[in-house]
Amino acid sequence: AQSVTQLDSHVSVSEGTPVLLRCNYSSSYSPSLFWYVQHPNKGLQLLLKYTSAATLVKGINGFEAEFKKSETSFHLTKPSAHMSDAAEYFCVVSDRGGSYIPTFGRGTSLIVHP
Amino acid sequence: DTAVSQTPKYLVTQMGNDKSIKCEQNLGHDTMYWYKQDSKKFLKIMFSYNNKELIINETVPNRFSPKSPDKAHLNLHINSLELGDSAVYFCASSPLSRGEQFFGPGTRLTVL
Repeated sequence: AQSVTQLDSHVSVSEGTPVLLRCNYSSSYSPSLFWYVQHPNKGLQLLLKYTSAATLVKGINGFEAEFKKSETSFHLTKPSAHMSDAAEYFCVVSDRGGSYIPTFGRGTSLIVHP
Repeated sequence: DTAVSQTPKYLVTQMGNDKSIKCEQNLGHDTMYWYKQDSKKFLKIMFSYNNKELIINETVPNRFSPKSPDKAHLNLHINSLELGDSAVYFCASSPLSRGEQFFGPGTRLTVL
């Protein structure tokens, strides 16, 4: 069965410093992987997705993620944090073993200090 | 133009009542979903539905039922509301069952 683990429940950075949000997945098939962002009192918005094309995926707002099969990881990065990046981030996996029903991680809260 | 909309945005009701939350998408997607988000932000999928198949998360009480009058709508009906049903409920749609999802703004349900 597919699963996803977000390794940090909270990540705190200073504005202008790099962001790293970690995600490990488990899948017996070729997975599709996604990162979503949720700002306070809002719905979720897709940041980026991996669907077996290029392993380095670029998303919106300067975010990117690299699919590493050997490490079963799909970490989200951004070179320089902005105050507006403060939000909840969700890593998601889906594969055909799970009938493509998405499995969400428990979320990582990104805190950005001035 | 709103892609995925939900009504109402807020819903406050008494235990034991029956309520519905409506969801509409104007994206032409085939698959729609309902999620429950608890106070710790954990997202739990409740239902996945397309023209052909309803997939129910087996942990969802049968007091919850999805109703789809047409491809663009997937409403959530809840019978005999309980305190533990208080949460934010999100509707989402996807062009393919394996594709990215587009989420609605959420409905905050409070059961008193």
